[in-house]
Amino acid sequence: TQLLEQSPQFLSIQEGENLTVYCNSSSVFSSLQWYRQEPGEGPVLLVTVVTGGEVKKLKRLTFQFGDARKDSSLHITAAQPGDTGLYLCAVGSGAGSYQLTFGKGTKLSVIP
Amino acid sequence: NAGVTQTPKFRVLKTGQSMTLLCAQDMNHEYMYWYRQDPGMGLRLIHYSVGEGTTAKGEVPDGYNVSRLKKQNFLLGLESAAPSQTSVYFCASKEIGTTYTGELFFGEGSRLTVL
Repeated sequence: TQLLEQSPQFLSIQEGENLTVYCNSSSVFSSLQWYRQEPGEGPVLLVTVVTGGEVKKLKRLTFQFGDARKDSSLHITAAQPGDTGLYLCAVGSGAGSYQLTFGKGTKLSVIP
Repeated sequence: NAGVTQTPKFRVLKTGQSMTLLCAQDMNHEYMYWYRQDPGMGLRLIHYSVGEGTTAKGEVPDGYNVSRLKKQNFLLGLESAAPSQTSVYFCASKEIGTTYTGELFFGEGSRLTVL
């Protein structure tokens, strides 16, 4: 059973459109992270959410942590080609939570 | 700023050959990780280390060994490479004290092909 389910798996949109991607689980988490990975590079942290219901904004990106701390969403307003990449959510797992488990990601393509 | 550096960036091996991937970080981080990334599978944790001289198994450790002899280096070894180990390998590090809420810093990846 996958700890984190991300949807959609692929998303291709036109520049200027809005979009939302999701990260869901049946488990409760103390915190959740979102990373973006561009082709040929390693993932880079976008945000960490720690409180149920928390909303964080990063320019045109809005992150929300579900009230029950089981899910999260990432909304992008007026997408730009520079937003193209793989969006990954991650949570701590295992004893001590030193391990970070990632979802399979949403691959976003923004067409100019 | 170097951050996390992986060596080599590309390598082609024949089945049965051995090799070592080197990860070096200059941020004095305690925690270090090796992940592999395959199409449709996301990032999967191979091994990790919470400090110099310590290592632990992750989700997919079989066929790999690791060593953390120095705090700044984390080595991933393949003793007898198999085609199933064809993948992109990422090293990451994290500072102590922040557990799972801390930021993972990743290297640029090492693309390994086993023929």
